[in-house]
Amino acid sequence: DAGITQSPRHKVTETGTPVTLRCHQTENHRYMYWYRQDPGHGLRLIHYSYGVKDTDKGEVSDGYSVSRSKTEDFLLTLESATSSQTSVYFCAISESAGQGSGNTIYFGEGSWLTVV
Amino acid sequence: GNSVTQMEGPVTLSEEAFLTINCTYTATGYPSLFWYVQYPGEGLQLLLKATKADDKGSNKGFEATYRKETTSFHLEKGSVQVSDSAVYFCALSDSSGANNLFFGTGTRLTVIP
Repeated sequence: DAGITQSPRHKVTETGTPVTLRCHQTENHRYMYWYRQDPGHGLRLIHYSYGVKDTDKGEVSDGYSVSRSKTEDFLLTLESATSSQTSVYFCAISESAGQGSGNTIYFGEGSWLTVV
Repeated sequence: GNSVTQMEGPVTLSEEAFLTINCTYTATGYPSLFWYVQYPGEGLQLLLKATKADDKGSNKGFEATYRKETTSFHLEKGSVQVSDSAVYFCALSDSSGANNLFFGTGTRLTVIP
């Protein structure tokens, strides 16, 4: 196990409500990521972080925000949930990065979110 | 830009059959290439990786060779087992400083006894 805990693992929420997913790591890795997994799309990057308070957008960032106040925690917030955000969300971590480094990205077990 | 195209599934094989899952990529710079596996209800696990052209990644009987000339990273296994049933994702890591992964859509493999 890569020392990644996601919470909650399952959540059902109503359209228009805010939702926060939490990712906690025990590896002290610098990089943290949020991906969503949808049929026919594989996994797509939402946001990532390269250090405390350092974040950037990914491919599908609209409607999402993130925060990283501590090395070990990376929060994903859906500001006003919509049905199109029903998905499985995966947190991931990486020790370092750089061209050709091939540093492995480790994934959590996922959070299943349903917006009704 | 960066993208990965992998063989559409699902793929159903009998136990001990030979497996190939095709993966081709488009990338700027010099990406690293990965195969991840996802078992039902679980997250993704790294299966193997290759960081430069002509490298061969291998693990648990699976192999893939980084072919720059054909921009491919096909996954192979000589004799599949029922326990190999899972979804397999090909991915590339871009050359930027963030190590972001770009995934294919996944290929579901079912191995029957």
